This record gives sequence, structure tokens and C-alpha cells, in this order.
Amino acid sequence: QKEVEQNSGPLSVPEGAIASLNCTYSDRGSQSFFWYRQYSGKSPELIMFIYSNGDKEDGRFTAQLNKASQYVSLLIRDSQPSDSATYLCAGKRSNSGYALNFGKGTSLLVTP
Amino acid sequence: DAGVTQSPTHLIKTRGQHVTLRCSPISGHKSVSWYQQVLGQGPQFIFQYYEKEERGRGNFPDRFSARQFPNYSSELNVNALLLGDSALYLCASSLDTGPTKQYFGPGTRLTVT
Repeated sequence: QKEVEQNSGPLSVPEGAIASLNCTYSDRGSQSFFWYRQYSGKSPELIMFIYSNGDKEDGRFTAQLNKASQYVSLLIRDSQPSDSATYLCAGKRSNSGYALNFGKGTSLLVTP
Repeated sequence: DAGVTQSPTHLIKTRGQHVTLRCSPISGHKSVSWYQQVLGQGPQFIFQYYEKEERGRGNFPDRFSARQFPNYSSELNVNALLLGDSALYLCASSLDTGPTKQYFGPGTRLTVT
């Protein structure tokens, strides 16, 4: 079982809608979580990180963490066609140095 | 400040050859991590170096090795290349220990024929 699981999608949402991206993890030792956006042929770009239960908001993005349910999500409000990309969820153990465990990513398509 | 830089951008090698990939972290960052990303998959952790010492190693064969230099730049070496080594190799830079953020470089696209 992969440590971080994501639905590969594609997830299609209309422009202006809320996109909801989900991620589950199996390693209870994971303490912090990261969302990266990756455009085709490009490297991952950090969007948000979260390590406390609850919500964390940054502009149009909200990350949610529920450690009891081992669930992480990313909400994108007012989705734009430029948000179309693959979104990678990654977890990190507190005692693993800097190794990030990535999911396969969810492909998001925002249609005009 | 300049971001993470990697060289070369693209590389084509033949099976059995050796390759060296290079990475320079963000100024002030002392940690470098290497990841391999095969098409359609998330990045997979290979190595992490902090203050020139190896701090973590992923599940990769001994054909993969790395080092970090006094200026915190890093090299990833892969010997006896296999077709399956074809991937995007990503270098990530972070400041220090703790739950800090990692920033990725543009990557090196390696194709093994």
C-alpha cells in the first residue's frame, strides 16, 4: 500500500467553481503535509503546507488536515483555467529528515 | 534571489553509461534532496544531504550515489544506466532541519536509449 494515495482524476470543474482535491495517508508518523502544483513538463511548485489539524487559508487556496482520519485536502476557490495542472500531495515524517512521500497526483482541468 | 538551479536540462544516454546531474540550492539553504519522477507518477525520494552529510536514502540501488560540496551544491551520479532510469530528476532545496518547505529546481530530463 502506497503511503500517500490520491485519485489520479482527471477532475473537471467549470471556471469559477470550487475544486476539491483529496489525499489520504497511511503513515501515522507523518507530521506535515504539502501540496504542490505541477504543470505538464515542469517541476513541482509549492502551494501550501500544513501540520496542524484544521484549515489553513492562503488566498484562493485552503488546505485541510484531519490527522484522526488521516486525510488531507486542498480546496481551490474561484477556479481558473490557469489552475489546470496536476496537484501532488506529500507527507513528511518528523524523523525522516526531508524525505517527502508523494502521491501520484490528481489531474485538475478547469473548463472555461 | 535565484531559485534552485539544475544542469543539464536534458540528457540522452545509452544503456550502461554513467551520468552526473548537478544542483545548486537556493542561497542560504543547506539541504539538498534528490527525487526521481517517472512519467505519470509522483516524485520518489532518492537522497537527502544536509551540511554535506547524507541524512536519508530512498529505496534505490547502489548504482545511485550523491554528494554535497562545501558550497552546498550537489551531484547525483547514476552508473550502469538502465532504460528504467529514464525520468525527470528533481533537486529540492530547503533551509535546515524541521518541517520546513522544500523548493524544487526545474529538473533534468534523462532519457536512456
